[in-house]
Amino acid sequence: EPEVTQTPSHQVTQMGQEVILRCVPISNHLYFYWYRQILGQKVEFLVSFYNNEISEKSEIFDDQFSVERPDGSNFTLKIRSTKLEDSAMYFCASSEGSMAGGKETQYFGPGTRLLVL
Amino acid sequence: GNSVTQMEGPVTLSEEAFLTINCTYTATGYPSLFWYVQYPGEGLQLLLKATKADDKGSNKGFEATYRKETTSFHLEKGSVQVSDSAVYFCALSDYGQNFVFGPGTRLSVLP
Repeated sequence: EPEVTQTPSHQVTQMGQEVILRCVPISNHLYFYWYRQILGQKVEFLVSFYNNEISEKSEIFDDQFSVERPDGSNFTLKIRSTKLEDSAMYFCASSEGSMAGGKETQYFGPGTRLLVL
Repeated sequence: GNSVTQMEGPVTLSEEAFLTINCTYTATGYPSLFWYVQYPGEGLQLLLKATKADDKGSNKGFEATYRKETTSFHLEKGSVQVSDSAVYFCALSDYGQNFVFGPGTRLSVLP
């Protein structure tokens, strides 16, 4: 069964460093997302991406965050200058299409646990 | 804005007990509703979904019915197993595409 994959599974970085989290969405999916989950807290939406541009972003997704689809398979989240409070589990998700088509179910990757020291 | 409220956990049950995890939502449109499960150390897995009022989603013995009149999507299972121990998230998806998750309910099933 196709699945969303993410690398690395764990990343430890120093405050102020840049990190890139990588995701490979399900191959025929058109919508891509990033979420984060601070330890013990709820899953929070960061950004959605469609047709090579951001379609929606939350307040959390400030200027230090960026997303990119550098090729036909990868979808990346870059954090430019990490802060301690960026420590969280980051989930990538993808969906086949829109709610109107009944294809809005989002399939999540296993997550990348980021620890900022 | 849209929001999802879930019963506070943790919930601790004995094996074969009946499970209910309450979920209510607030949405401006007609959202789809989902339950995701997160097993220890793993990511989020879709458990079941319902896309319109009165739909019942079911999977692995779990069920939830989309109740528009009470804006609820309660998760139920008739007989839980130790392997059901996990965190359960109720979520909705509206026309804006991004999901809104509830805070999660941790379930522990004791043998």
